[in-house]
Amino acid sequence: KAGVTQTPRYLIKTRGQQVTLSCSPISGHRSVSWYQQTPGQGLQFLFEYFSETQRNKGNFPGRFSGRQFSNSRSEMNVSTLELGDSALYLCASSPTGQGGYGYTFGSGTRLTVV
Amino acid sequence: DQQVKQNSPSLSVQEGRISILNCDYTNSMFDYFLWYKKYPAEGPTFLISISSIKDKNEDGRFTVFLNKSAKHLSLHIVPSQPGDSAVYFCAAFAGGTSYGKLTFGQGTILTVHP
Repeated sequence: KAGVTQTPRYLIKTRGQQVTLSCSPISGHRSVSWYQQTPGQGLQFLFEYFSETQRNKGNFPGRFSGRQFSNSRSEMNVSTLELGDSALYLCASSPTGQGGYGYTFGSGTRLTVV
Repeated sequence: DQQVKQNSPSLSVQEGRISILNCDYTNSMFDYFLWYKKYPAEGPTFLISISSIKDKNEDGRFTVFLNKSAKHLSLHIVPSQPGDSAVYFCAAFAGGTSYGKLTFGQGTILTVHP
């Protein structure tokens, strides 16, 4: 079956701009989580969506937001980009987001802010 | 507060020998643990997991051991192969309302020499 698809793979933006990243989960998976990976902070949880509702949120500023559509596809948005937002953004899908199993990651979107 | 720690940034082993990657955690609410393998600019790939009610889980060349009293888990790879060279992440899931949230260690770079 098809894996988790993230688009675009690479993105270069200027400080102050906003960006939208997309994630299509594995068919049948209803939970989508987003993570940020940076060399200094490692992999950090941003938020999780299930049935179009945000159920969990990490410790990130309000500039980071997301949404989920009825087909479980998810988008995350970062507004007023800062240099420190440069990172690999990963999404993971799982059947329910409950329990620690079944998390499959996409290949990520590499965001560079200049 | 880093709840999942991988204290060895790197590990180098010879092909055919055993690789042992270690992980410590502090949160007693973690009830599921996972190991992921990651190549640069790609998403983490699931390797093996273990529930907190078990102390060992095996899958082919990969075995994970969990010592709850010591809050310690380890991943054994036997025999190690050059293709195993990658960054290995330990992750934990806390259950309850931790929907979709995996807490990751900082990773260990494994290099397997031919």
